[in-house]
Amino acid sequence: DVKVTQSSRYLVKRTGEKVFLECVQDMDHENMFWYRQDPGLGLRLIYFSYDVKMKEKGDIPEGYSVSREKKERFSLILESASTNQTSMYLCASEQDPYEQYFGPGTRLTVT
Amino acid sequence: AQSVTQLDSQVPVFEEAPVELRCNYSSSVSVYLFWYVQYPNQGLQLLLKYLSGSTLVKGINGFEAEFNKSQTSFHLRKPSVHISDTAEYFCAVSPRGGSYIPTFGRGTSLIVHP
Repeated sequence: DVKVTQSSRYLVKRTGEKVFLECVQDMDHENMFWYRQDPGLGLRLIYFSYDVKMKEKGDIPEGYSVSREKKERFSLILESASTNQTSMYLCASEQDPYEQYFGPGTRLTVT
Repeated sequence: AQSVTQLDSQVPVFEEAPVELRCNYSSSVSVYLFWYVQYPNQGLQLLLKYLSGSTLVKGINGFEAEFNKSQTSFHLRKPSVHISDTAEYFCAVSPRGGSYIPTFGRGTSLIVHP
């Protein structure tokens, strides 16, 4: 079974802090994605990566950056957290274009 | 570009009743179609997908969906729901060829009452 893990299930940070969200997959997948999920808005793509050290902006990249130094790990970085970044963050990986495998999510609260 | 519309934000239903969750999409190119389910406090998991071939697709947990190209729809159905089907359901489309980046609908909350 494909396993996608995220470093924290719940996280509380203060405004202005630098926040790291880590995602690791164990199936040697090429493609990895970061989404945020908000009630009534569904999933919105923040960044994705097709390969190590490669990244592409999604629909809402402002205020975020990413890092992919190893194939299995894809990190989302909030350079200076703001209250409007309070959300559920979901990581996903895929090998082919047909199915995404999701982690359990990190619920981030910025106060 | 493509877009996905899930026509109902919430669907309440009694246990053992049939249910249909509606999904319409628009796209300038051919697409692959997916339904994902998200149980409380979990990530999403794939229910079923349409890639090609038969337009009636069967998935896990007794769900099925039918691709209707003329109506650009991909509605999800189950003939008899259980309490355990209570979850958020997301329809998604990916363009054939190109980047394959999926577009998700806003989700439908299925609430099954005893």
